[in-house]
Formats: sequence, structure tokens, C-alpha cells
Amino acid sequence: GESVGLHLPTLSVQEGDNSIINCAYSNSASDYFIWYKQESGKGPQFIIDIRSNMDKRQGQRVTVLLNKTVKHLSLQIAATQPGDSAVYFCAENRGGYQKVTFGIGTKLQVIP
Amino acid sequence: DTEVTQTPKHLVMGMTNKKSLKCEQHMGHRAMYWYKQKAKKPPELMFVYSYEKLSINESVPSRFSPECPNSSLLNLHLHALQPEDSALYLCASSLTGAGGSTDTQYFGPGTRLTVL
Repeated sequence: GESVGLHLPTLSVQEGDNSIINCAYSNSASDYFIWYKQESGKGPQFIIDIRSNMDKRQGQRVTVLLNKTVKHLSLQIAATQPGDSAVYFCAENRGGYQKVTFGIGTKLQVIP
Repeated sequence: DTEVTQTPKHLVMGMTNKKSLKCEQHMGHRAMYWYKQKAKKPPELMFVYSYEKLSINESVPSRFSPECPNSSLLNLHLHALQPEDSALYLCASSLTGAGGSTDTQYFGPGTRLTVL
């Protein structure tokens, strides 16, 4: 069935380096994509989102890139810090539908 | 107030117990959600309430019974649960429940449920 998935289940990054977390989606009707960060013992925290009419959006230290041609989404974290260690989920949604579909998640480990 | 709160943080219950999980938001959101999350897995949608009416039930067993007393509160009543129901139960809310870019879901911290 349609799904949102991630290429790498675990990513280890040196503190100060940039991190790139990837996500593939298969539902071409999706028009809204969200990245969530989930720290151990906490609920998912909204990081950044992007609409399908955009290919790039920047936040504070984070950038999301959307490539609709290959149905690929990525989250870039600049100057990764120990506090960035968490599981990151991509999720997709579309207007008129209440259900958000989550990807499997990538665990980001920051090495001090 | 920009947060979703959930109580209790932790709950341990036997298979014959009846308990309730509570969720509250004061952001004026009109859609509220219950998710179940097992360890190392993504959240799975259980129920959606939109304008205090149940709009989605993802074929959840009847031992889970949701309730939305008003637009700020969401309860999940639990009865005769099984050990495999042990999980993190997350509540979320969004502005309208219409989906799409105007309707980001914001999550609470969850209730860690253990069924013995």
C-alpha cells in the first residue's frame, strides 16, 4: 500500500557536522509534509513542514527539501548538537484528509 | 497556551481494571486525535474527533472507548486490556481536522501504559 519510509534507521554524526535525514514517499497525491522530532520519553515535536508547491524551506538550523519527481524528502540539520539526538519522523498528509501517515523513523545519534 | 497536556504520565493496570487517559488543549483547536506508539515504531492513529464528533475510528478494539466532552478535552477509557496493549498513548490536536498545510498536528507528551 501507499507508505512513507526512510532509507536509514540510524544515523551517527559528529557534533558540529551537518546531518541529512532522508525519506521516500509513494503517495503522489500527498501535498503536505512534516518533520517531527521525538526525544526519548516524549511526544513528537513539530520541527518544520513544507507544501508540495515548494521545493525548499528553511528554519532555524534546519532545511527541508522536497523532490516531487522522485518522491523524496530530506531534513538537513546544520551544526548538529547533542540536543539534536532523537528519532526523526517524516509524515505526509493532504488537504481534506485527517489522517497523517508517519514514516518508520531515523534515530540520530550525535557523537560529542 | 501552546501545548497539549496528558495525564497521567505513567499508568500500570491489570487486565480487569478500568482506567481513563486524559488530554487537554487550550489552543482553540477543534480536532483531537489518539495515537498508539509501540517501542521503536511510528505513532499509529486510533481515533479522530472533529468538532467534538468521532470522525475516524481505525478499527480499534472496543476495549478502547474515546470520549470528547468538549472542544478542549479528550478522554480514552480503557477496560479489559491485554498485555499487548502496553504502549505510549499520544494525544494530538489540530486547528480544524481538515488536513493539509493549515492543519498541523501538535502532540502531547504521552501516557506510558503498562498492562499486567
